[in-house]
Amino acid sequence: DTAVSQTPKYLVTQMGNDKSIKCEQNLGHDTMYWYKQDSKKFLKIMFSYNNKELIINETVPNRFSPKSPDKAHLNLHINSLELGDSAVYFCASSTSGTGGQPQHFGDGTRLSIL
Amino acid sequence: QQQVKQSPQSLIVQKGGISIINCAYENTAFDYFPWYQQFPGKGPALLIAIRPDVSEKKEGRFTISFNKSAKQFSLHIMDSQPGDSATYFCAAYTSGTYKYIFGTGTRLKVLA
Repeated sequence: DTAVSQTPKYLVTQMGNDKSIKCEQNLGHDTMYWYKQDSKKFLKIMFSYNNKELIINETVPNRFSPKSPDKAHLNLHINSLELGDSAVYFCASSTSGTGGQPQHFGDGTRLSIL
Repeated sequence: QQQVKQSPQSLIVQKGGISIINCAYENTAFDYFPWYQQFPGKGPALLIAIRPDVSEKKEGRFTISFNKSAKQFSLHIMDSQPGDSATYFCAAYTSGTYKYIFGTGTRLKVLA
């Protein structure tokens, strides 16, 4: 039973299109994240939600809009896709207990812009 | 100050050898230091983690050494196996920020 699941696994689309990536976790966690991993494998946080509230919004173009309908789901919508958006996007979740808590990652969505 | 510097970028080790990956940080507010292992086509998975009140933590063949005064921590993989071939990331976290800062990753290849 997958703990953090992302759909779709692969997304190939044209420049200028709008697309969404969905993420669901069944771990009962209250914090969810979106990360971008570029071709050099560098992992950079984009957004974080705690109990459906946006708590981290890094320097990300406003073409990217996260939405958390409930604690178990965090979706990412991207408008007007650009070539530079090609990357692997990872969703992760954790509890928000005192001190750091282990993050559980999905297997990623590989976005390719043609 | 928010960076975590990781080295080496890549590492080749013979089977049975010791793999050592190093990370350094500047922000003394970091209070949780996890290591993640990532296989191709998969998301990172937590391997082992340490808090700054402990100088060493061992889990099986994996050991974290933590040097608070030098602001450095390292991952040691003893008796490295071909199945350990993966990309390894160190990370650092400050309580209350919900933000993990990741190192740039180390690609480890263990030769059979």
